Amino acid sequence: QVQLVQSGAEVKKPGASVKVSCKASGYTFTNLYLHWVRQAPGQGLDWMGMINPSGGSTTYAQNFQGRLTMTRDTSTSTVYMELSSLRSDDTAVYYCARDPRTIAAPFDYWGQGTLVTVSS
Amino acid sequence: DIQMTQSPSSLSASVGDRVTITCRASQSISNYLNWYQQKPGKAPKLLIYPASSLQSGVPSRFSGSGSGTDFTLTISSLQPEDFATYYCQQSYSTPPWTFGQGTKVEIK
Repeated sequence: QVQLVQSGAEVKKPGASVKVSCKASGYTFTNLYLHWVRQAPGQGLDWMGMINPSGGSTTYAQNFQGRLTMTRDTSTSTVYMELSSLRSDDTAVYYCARDPRTIAAPFDYWGQGTLVTVSS
Repeated sequence: DIQMTQSPSSLSASVGDRVTITCRASQSISNYLNWYQQKPGKAPKLLIYPASSLQSGVPSRFSGSGSGTDFTLTISSLQPEDFATYYCQQSYSTPPWTFGQGTKVEIK
């Protein structure tokens, strides 16, 4: 069965970086895109970016340009999301989600979420 | 970027009620509209895509309709497990993939 398993919660100081992992299983990792979506406490869903695990190409949302890096390791079927220059408003739950590349490109499977807390 | 606006932001309903949530796009998105359900502390779950097709395993009391700019999610008979927050998402003009602000369905 398809699973996306994310790394554990993180606490970081302002200005630091965080790297969250998302390990995929149950399907061919390089066939489908993976997205990252974040959710600040009590807020809605905010798309951050996506990666094509096949070639490693990425697309980032405009408001994360310059701070966000997505990478992948095909040997372990894992994608990584690294956010730098953290601020308090980066405190959120970060989700990875699979894009099955069908019509309307829905996000059909999600990781369990990783809470990142930015606090001095 | 395409903006997605849901209404209402929250609603109170009883078990057995018929519930309708609307989602409006700032420009036409054809039928490239997806619906998700999110329960507290959990990841979102895909319910419907595109616009009207139920994801595998989703109960038939959920239905979606619409095209262009106006869409609806209907729960025909609200069940206790349906109390959650619902989000629409457009995937017509990407990037970015954009979500509505959410509709919280609470127990009356």
